[in-house]
Amino acid sequence: DVKVTQSSRYLVKRTGEKVFLECVQDMDHENMFWYRQDPGLGLRLIYFSYDVKMKEKGDIPEGYSVSREKKERFSLILESASTNQTSMYLCASSSRHYEQYFGPGTRLTVT
Amino acid sequence: LAKTTQPISMDSYEGQEVNITCSHNNIATNDYITWYQQFPSQGPRFIIQGYKTKVTNEVASLFIPADRKSSTLSLPRVSLSDTAVYYCLVGDRSGGYNKLIFGAGTRLAVHP
Repeated sequence: DVKVTQSSRYLVKRTGEKVFLECVQDMDHENMFWYRQDPGLGLRLIYFSYDVKMKEKGDIPEGYSVSREKKERFSLILESASTNQTSMYLCASSSRHYEQYFGPGTRLTVT
Repeated sequence: LAKTTQPISMDSYEGQEVNITCSHNNIATNDYITWYQQFPSQGPRFIIQGYKTKVTNEVASLFIPADRKSSTLSLPRVSLSDTAVYYCLVGDRSGGYNKLIFGAGTRLAVHP
């Protein structure tokens, strides 16, 4: 079975802190994704990566950056966390674009 | 951008068949339609994928008309454990490299 793991299930940070969310997949997938999920808004794509060191902006990249130095690892970075970035963050990977495997999510609270 | 529209919520009873329809008027010619299921506090899980006509697996069926402007996920004989949010996903290349869009999701509640 494909396994996608995220570094934390719950995280509490203060406004202005730099935040790192880590995602690791064990199936040698080329594609990796970061989404955020908010009530009533469904899943919104922040960034995705189709290869090591490659990245593309999704629908809502503002305030976020990403890093993919190794194929199995995709990091989401909040340079200066703000309260409106309080959300559930979901990582996914795929070998084809439409069959994505998701991690359990990280619930981030920024106070 | 291809926009998807789904009902916000649906209710059903155990043992009934449930059909959830997703509208996607601007779907691209080569794009597939995929449905995901999400339980509380978990990431979405792939259910089924199709391009045209009908696809069936052990969990669900997917019906896609010839114009592909909509699709219907069919869950046969639902049980309480099918209570979840269901998302319709279509590919969209108008914004660049394989940009993907999730629908807002349909919250299905199955009652005893």
